Amino acid sequence: DIVMTQSQKFMSTSVGDRVSVTCKASQNVGTNVAWYQQKPGQSPKALIYSASYRYSGVPDRFTGSGSGTDFTLTISNVQSEDLAEYFCQQYNSYPLFTFGSGTKLEIK
Amino acid sequence: QVQLKESGPGLVAPSQSLSITCTISGFSLTSYGVHWVRQPPGKGLEWLVVIWSDGSTTYNSALKSRLSISKDNSKSQVFLKMNSLQTDDTAMYYCARHYYAMDYWGQGTSVTVSS
Repeated sequence: DIVMTQSQKFMSTSVGDRVSVTCKASQNVGTNVAWYQQKPGQSPKALIYSASYRYSGVPDRFTGSGSGTDFTLTISNVQSEDLAEYFCQQYNSYPLFTFGSGTKLEIK
Repeated sequence: QVQLKESGPGLVAPSQSLSITCTISGFSLTSYGVHWVRQPPGKGLEWLVVIWSDGSTTYNSALKSRLSISKDNSKSQVFLKMNSLQTDDTAMYYCARHYYAMDYWGQGTSVTVSS
């Protein structure tokens, strides 16, 4: 089974900074990776699909990159409302739709 | 606009079964697949199953023996049934629409397994 590893459980940043959240797949998943944002007490919100394409309505401050096994979600000009947990997900190989364990972003 | 809303019993006794419903609006089940995902309190996300627009299904193999998914296109509803619940099945259960991955999510329905 494919494992998606988000090694950074917590990250801290400041308003206006740029931060990168990383995710590593245990096998080549091509560009079949999505990213989600989950704010406290809310359901997840889709940000990125196919590694680098934003879902409709997602601010262009959110950028996805990577292919193969290494993926990054970069948030530019971080805002206070970006306080959330961020999950990566692969949908290349069975078991489909494997999630990473999440990275919590703290805004100083 | 696209909306998904889960509904369920809230509390289930150990060893009993769970039935939850996802009611959708703003799109058709004949055009989009719908997933079920769960999240135990304070933990990460676990994908359970998807029912595709043509009615075919794909299950998480770890839970396949306990899960059943179905839908009623005319009523815009997707149904999840899980058997033999235990305390570690306590979680928020979400349904989500499939578009490449999961583009729209419901608010979730909380399920607690307890006697």
